Amino acid sequence: AQTVTQSQPEMSVQEAETVTLSCTYDTSESNYYLFWYKQPPSRQMILVIRQEAYKQQNATENRFSVNFQKAAKSFSLKISDSQLGDTAMYFCAFEGGGSNYKLTFGKGTLLTVNP
Amino acid sequence: DVKVTQSSRYLVKRTGEKVFLECVQDMDHENMFWYRQDPGLGLRLIYFSYDVKMKEKGDIPEGYSVSREKKERFSLILESASTNQTSMYLCASTSGPAEKPQHFGDGTRLSIL
Repeated sequence: AQTVTQSQPEMSVQEAETVTLSCTYDTSESNYYLFWYKQPPSRQMILVIRQEAYKQQNATENRFSVNFQKAAKSFSLKISDSQLGDTAMYFCAFEGGGSNYKLTFGKGTLLTVNP
Repeated sequence: DVKVTQSSRYLVKRTGEKVFLECVQDMDHENMFWYRQDPGLGLRLIYFSYDVKMKEKGDIPEGYSVSREKKERFSLILESASTNQTSMYLCASTSGPAEKPQHFGDGTRLSIL
């Protein structure tokens, strides 16, 4: 079974600074997908960014980018120019290639952006 | 935009009651999921469904069942509620490949007294 580990239960960052959230995973599959989801205090979970394992290029979405190290099974999220609205729980998630789209989530990192 | 609607934001029930949590999506998605979210544990998959009347157990199905009679609706049933089922429950749906992410509802905060 796949496992996803987020080793930082809580982090904080000053507004406008850059922060990196860590995620490692364990799988024997070669074809899979990785996601970062954000859950603000209002609770609705939304997708931040996705990465296909077969793509070597790291995904980027505006201020959000990932550092995908397939051999190390590492998938970290970098948030640049942090904003107060980035305050949220962030979940790393794994989806195997043949898993019927099931996601395995990490335990989450609570990020607080301070003014 | 995809909308996933959970019938209640907050729900209080008593031990032993049969509890129904309802989820409706408006985008004709084949795949629907029920997760449980607890502090320090992240999200854990209870059940999922990939078609009408089709269901599969997730990682923590004990004490729960599900029903999917129509494509847009996926119900989670607590057959005999217990206090250890007090939690946040999240419903999600997706149309298929990973290029299309799971869309989540707002969640139901369920308290069993």
